[in-house]
Amino acid sequence: DAGVTQSPTHLIKTRGQQVTLRCSPISGHKSVSWYQQVLGQGPQFIFQYYEKEERGRGNFPDRFSARQFPNYSSELNVNALLLGDSALYLCASSLVTGESETQYFGPGTRLLVL
Amino acid sequence: SQQGEEDPQALSIQEGENATMNCSYKTSINNLQWYRQNSGRGLVHLILIRSNEREKHSGRLRVTLDTSKKSSSLLITASRAADTASYFCATDATGANSKLTFGKGITLSVRP
Repeated sequence: DAGVTQSPTHLIKTRGQQVTLRCSPISGHKSVSWYQQVLGQGPQFIFQYYEKEERGRGNFPDRFSARQFPNYSSELNVNALLLGDSALYLCASSLVTGESETQYFGPGTRLLVL
Repeated sequence: SQQGEEDPQALSIQEGENATMNCSYKTSINNLQWYRQNSGRGLVHLILIRSNEREKHSGRLRVTLDTSKKSSSLLITASRAADTASYFCATDATGANSKLTFGKGITLSVRP
């Protein structure tokens, strides 16, 4: 079975532009979470979606938004990009939300903002 | 904010030796998970230990959890060069509904 897939793998944007990152969860998984990992740090939680509804939001500005589609895939949008948005963006999926659910991560999208 | 704090920040050992990595956290948790990351790529799930468990094994991995001390350790036995990677502990805090909070990670180098 395919794991979590993300596209694109790499992306270069300039300040002020907008970017959309895509994630397809493992087949059968209904929950998708997004994390940002800045170089040298651990991942930071951005959003969690379950059954197309937002179930959690991390400490990120409103420039960050996301949605989940009926097939459980998800998009993360970032508007008005800043240099500090340069990072590895990771998507994770799990069967449901709740206690003790293993989250499986995709390979990530590396975003560079110039 | 980062809840998990791994220790040491970097570890260098010889192939065949055991590697022990520690993680401390601050709040009550549902579970604690360890992940491996190779060269800034995606995270690979290693093991999950629930708050009511004290020890868990998976192959060459042994994880312990002490909720009274809010700490966990990951032991990799008979290390291999392929174990060279960054290792992260992540906590699923009580009430956090599967939102994971990661530490800064430990860089493990296994010399052949």
